[in-house]
Amino acid sequence: GQNIDQPTEMTATEGAIVQINCTYQTSGFNGLFWYQQHAGEAPTFLSYNVLDGLEEKGRFSSFLSRSKGYSYLLLKELQMKDSASYLCALNSGFQKLVFGTGTRLLVSP
Amino acid sequence: DAGVTQSPTHLIKTRGQQVTLRCSPKSGHDTVSWYQQALGQGPQFIFQYYEEEERQRGNFPDRFSGHQFPNYSSELNVNALLLGDSALYLCASSLGDRWDSSYEQYFGPGTRLTVT
Repeated sequence: GQNIDQPTEMTATEGAIVQINCTYQTSGFNGLFWYQQHAGEAPTFLSYNVLDGLEEKGRFSSFLSRSKGYSYLLLKELQMKDSASYLCALNSGFQKLVFGTGTRLLVSP
Repeated sequence: DAGVTQSPTHLIKTRGQQVTLRCSPKSGHDTVSWYQQALGQGPQFIFQYYEEEERQRGNFPDRFSGHQFPNYSSELNVNALLLGDSALYLCASSLGDRWDSSYEQYFGPGTRLTVT
């Protein structure tokens, strides 16, 4: 099986930096996705890590360590619109995604 | 490009009834996956269709079935509805001809199903 754990909820202040962690236990996967989901809306793609290391995309960065079963999403210069749920998902093959429960991020002024 | 579209947006059904949800993939995509998302949870994989065949299936009972048409659009059918089937049903499309494909999945807006 694939147990994927994320913190349930996090709070941060506008302009700050926040790191959302994702740990997993699995026998194999192609890569790890991060998606953003605003309440009542579809998930939207943020990043995809196949190899270990850091992937940077503007204000968002994602890191993967396969040996440690660990990933994180780093959000810089937080804005109010970043208040959303952040979903970590493993690609277990042919784009079958196994999601964690998601982390709800609340950004305050 | 309209992206992934789903219909209907909202649906209210009674326990025991049957429902059909529809999905049109993003232009050029050949693979459609369906997910169920309960309130406050991450999406759960139901099944995936490729070349009009069910290629992968998650841990859902046979009450959940689907179909993919030659134009790659897809339907999700749920029979004998239970209260616990109330959820947001998401459709996602991608290019899926390789097991190790890293292509991004695009999600539709979802269908909110309420079973009373």
